[in-house]
Amino acid sequence: QTVVTQEPSFSVSPGGTVTLTCGLSSGSVSTTYYPSWYQQTPGQAARALIYNTNSRSSGVPDRFSGSILGNKAALTITGAQADDESDYYCVLYMGSGISVFGGGTKLTVL
Amino acid sequence: EVQLLESGGGLVQPGGSLRLSCAASGFTFSSYAMSWVRQAPGKGLEWVSTIRGSGAGTYYADSVKGRYTISRDKSKSVLYLQMNSLRAEDTAVYFCAKVYSSTWLPFYFDYWGQGTLVTVSS
Repeated sequence: QTVVTQEPSFSVSPGGTVTLTCGLSSGSVSTTYYPSWYQQTPGQAARALIYNTNSRSSGVPDRFSGSILGNKAALTITGAQADDESDYYCVLYMGSGISVFGGGTKLTVL
Repeated sequence: EVQLLESGGGLVQPGGSLRLSCAASGFTFSSYAMSWVRQAPGKGLEWVSTIRGSGAGTYYADSVKGRYTISRDKSKSVLYLQMNSLRAEDTAVYFCAKVYSSTWLPFYFDYWGQGTLVTVSS
């Protein structure tokens, strides 16, 4: 069974930079998994941030960027703001119509 | 403007059935794959199912395979999720989501609805 791993929690200071990662329990994440990233405030719909590893979804500020770092996908937020405090999820496309979400990272801005 | 509006959630007993709907507007419905994603109370997001724009291909998470059926009605621009043999662990908010590309890849969910709550309990 494929498990997509994310840090359970992370904190960043206002104005700071943070990098969240998305890995696989077995193997490396590459662009062939079309990594995407989503932001969700509890009780709300998710908002797409990054797709296809490093493309920003419509309307997403360039403070958000995606990449592959080592064997993981990564989401970097620069100039963190208070309203960046949310849950962040990565998704890997496994092929054959199957998508797998990571467990999510709760980001605190303080 | 893309809009996705889910409905059909509610309280159902274990072993029961429920059908969710997602009314779509603001895009050419038949050109895009659609998906269902759920979130159990206090838990993370879980992909449930995806259907191709044509309706010809359907895909399911192992946790729901054989119990859930995804379908779509092109004439009404509505996505459905028929849920049978429901279990307590199916309790969640169910979101419908539009898949970004009309050619399938790159694959991601670009628009999401607000969700509908399904509670499975006796």
